[in-house]
Amino acid sequence: DVKVTQSSRYLVKRTGEKVFLECVQDMDHENMFWYRQDPGLGLRLIYFSYDVKMKEKGDIPEGYSVSREKKERFSLILESASTNQTSMYLCASGERDTQYFGPGTRLTVL
Amino acid sequence: GDSVTQMEGPVTLSEEAFLTINCTYTATGYPSLFWYVQYPGEGLQLLLKATKADDKGSNKGFEATYRKETTSFHLEKGSVQVSDSAVYFCALSERNYGGATNKLIFGTGTLLAVQP
Repeated sequence: DVKVTQSSRYLVKRTGEKVFLECVQDMDHENMFWYRQDPGLGLRLIYFSYDVKMKEKGDIPEGYSVSREKKERFSLILESASTNQTSMYLCASGERDTQYFGPGTRLTVL
Repeated sequence: GDSVTQMEGPVTLSEEAFLTINCTYTATGYPSLFWYVQYPGEGLQLLLKATKADDKGSNKGFEATYRKETTSFHLEKGSVQVSDSAVYFCALSERNYGGATNKLIFGTGTLLAVQP
């Protein structure tokens, strides 16, 4: 079975803090993704990566950056957290057209 | 651009009732279609998929048929259980022939609540 893990299930941070969300997959997938999920808005793509050190902006990249130094790990970085970044963050990995998701990190920014 | 529209929730059913959750899509090419399920407090799990017209995806008693003529991929189950209570997302994979990553486009999700 594909396994995608995320470093934290719940996280509380203060406005202005730098926040790191980590995602690790064990299936040697080329592609990895970060989404945020908000009520009424569904899932929105923040960034994705199709290879080590490669990244592409998704639909809502503002306020975020990413890092992919190793194939199995994809990090989402909030350079200076703001309250409007309070959300559920979901990581996914996959090949071709199918993606497999981690359990999510619920981030609260106070 | 490509888009997915699914029925608004919540959908509330009694146990053993028949379930339909409607999903329609707009796409310029020939996307793959998916249903994902999200149980409370968890991430999304792939429920089923179909990759071409008239394909039927099925899993755990759920089914959906890829209907190109009506651009639909409706989710059905003959007899729901309380344990099926979750949010269901319809999605399509943008077909990218250049070899780059295929992105998923999601609907907004439909909450299903099954009562005993």
